[in-house]
Formats: sequence, structure tokens, C-alpha cells
Amino acid sequence: AQKVTQAQTEISVVEKEDVTLDCVYETRDTTYYLFWYKQPPSGELVFLIRRNSFDEQNEISGRYSWNFQKSTSSFNFTITASQVVDSAVYFCALSGTGGFKTIFGAGTRLFVKA
Amino acid sequence: EPEVTQTPSHQVTQMGQEVILRCVPISNHLYFYWYRQILGQKVEFLVSFYNNEISEKSEIFDDQFSVERPDGSNFTLKIRSTKLEDSAMYFCASSDPGDRENTGELFFGEGSRLTVL
Repeated sequence: AQKVTQAQTEISVVEKEDVTLDCVYETRDTTYYLFWYKQPPSGELVFLIRRNSFDEQNEISGRYSWNFQKSTSSFNFTITASQVVDSAVYFCALSGTGGFKTIFGAGTRLFVKA
Repeated sequence: EPEVTQTPSHQVTQMGQEVILRCVPISNHLYFYWYRQILGQKVEFLVSFYNNEISEKSEIFDDQFSVERPDGSNFTLKIRSTKLEDSAMYFCASSDPGDRENTGELFFGEGSRLTVL
């Protein structure tokens, strides 16, 4: 069975701090895909990144970076120099090949205070 | 930029009533999905739809739920007899057929909030 665990329910930081959101997954698939989505207070779901299981290179996009480690089944997300606009719920998600179903973690609510 | 659109944005209904939520997926996408998010909780998979049939569904998607693609553009979710616990945000999503492995990268609509009284 597939499972995504986001152990951090809520994180509160002060603007300009770095923050890391943890994601641990379980799957029996050898090929799978990992995602992060952002859900701002307005409620929509915004795609941030996709990683496939064969690509363990870390990725950086502006202030965002992702650390994929297959050995620990983790796909952590770091925001550098956080800003108030980063305040949102962040979901980690997982799907398998031919993945008709994407499983979401419970989400981590990030509060960034000015 | 193409997007998934959903209507209505908010619907209030009485328990026991039928509700239809509508979605227009991105036009060249072939995989369609409904997800549900009860307030403050996780996003839960309901159903996926491909080639005019359900490809996978969750335990939540019981006989009270049905999906349909009545024409070339709309994708609907029907709840036959709503219960209080059906109150949630319902997200429609679609994914790209050019993505041969169907990695499941989902393009979400903005959601339809259903309130059952």
C-alpha cells in the first residue's frame, strides 16, 4: 500500500528564516512519482514540483529546494528566507506508474510571521 | 494558460438532495479525477476516469456517487442523496496524455465547496 506521512502538522517561523517541511513515503512500486503542492488560504491547489523515483538529484527553484533521498524514503522541501506569502498548507503526494491515484499526505500548515 | 474550471464555486444543499458538480478539464487531457477535502483535512482521492470509464475509485466513492463525461468537454460528479458528511471542497483534476507514463501530475481546478445542511 502507498502512504505519505507529513509528521509536522504546523510550523511557525519568522520571516527570512529557512524552514524545512518533511515528507516520508511508503510504496512497493519501483517506479513512482513524488509531488509537492501548495494550498494558500484561498484554497486552490498549486503544483510545485514532480520527481520520479530514478532521479535523486536535488532541485532548486528560487527560494525553494527539494531533497529526495530514496534510502530514507524522504522527499523534504526547504524554503529559504521565508516570506509571509509562503504561508499556506503544503502537501506532499505520491503516485505509481500508470498512476490513476495520487495519495496525499496530511499536509503541513506553515505560518510565516512578519 | 489552459486551466481546469469548476462550477459552482459554492453550493448549499439540504440533506438528501442530489448535487451535480461540474468540471471542464484541460482540453487535450484524457485522464480525469475527483478529489475531496473536508475542511482542514487532507486531500482524498475519490475516482479516476479514463477512456469513458472509471479506472480506479476509493472506498469513499460508494453507490451514492457517480461520474460522467456527458460530452466532449464536461466531467461531472453526482452525489445522489447528500449527507452531512459530504460537506467538503471537491476538486476536479486532469492530467496530460502526452505524459505517456501518466505520472499523475495533476492540474487542479479551484474547487467546488459543498455545504450540506
